[in-house]
Amino acid sequence: SQTIHQWPATLVQPVGSPLSLECTVEGTSNPNLYWYRQAAGRGLQLLFYSVGIGQISSEVPQNLSASRPQDRQFILSSKKLLLSDSGFYLCAWSVRLTGDYEQYFGPGTRLTVT
Amino acid sequence: KNQVEQSPQSLIILEGKNCTLQCNYTVSPFSNLRWYKQDTGRGPVSLTIMTFSENTKSNGRYTATLDADTKQSSLHITASQLSDSASYICVVSPVNYGGATNKLIFGTGTLLAVQP
Repeated sequence: SQTIHQWPATLVQPVGSPLSLECTVEGTSNPNLYWYRQAAGRGLQLLFYSVGIGQISSEVPQNLSASRPQDRQFILSSKKLLLSDSGFYLCAWSVRLTGDYEQYFGPGTRLTVT
Repeated sequence: KNQVEQSPQSLIILEGKNCTLQCNYTVSPFSNLRWYKQDTGRGPVSLTIMTFSENTKSNGRYTATLDADTKQSSLHITASQLSDSASYICVVSPVNYGGATNKLIFGTGTLLAVQP
């Protein structure tokens, strides 16, 4: 069976510090990977998606970047965090990229920027 | 603009009672509509997924309905349990015309609290 892991589970970082969140998927090959952010009282916002190693698409301009160094590894980064980067970050994977396929979410990382 | 709106924002019910959550969307055309359950501090978990041609889909005590003409969906929870306390999110997937992304459109969710 497939599983998706995220770490850390919670993170408190000062403004201006760097960020690295990691997501890994087990039990599947060549998954499509996604990073979402969920702000309080708002729906999930797609930040990045990836169809393969080194292939990253950004959905919204922001202070964040993503990388996919391995097939089942997806990393969300920032060089300098802003207060507005606070939120709940979710990684997800799917078998195919079209809207007909299920997306499976990880447990999430709660980021608080102080 | 593609939007998904849910009501009520929050709901409190007593254990054993039924409840219905609403979802209105303006996404057109759409491929499918999903309902997710998200426990506090956890990732969303899929409950049901319906294509535009389906009217209803059940998953245990959860029953989702879809009216594509009025662009409305509902999630009915029967005989609620304490473990049903969570946020319920309506998600619509637009038709993908060969585009590059499975860009789901998420509602803001209904926060359900089931009390003993």
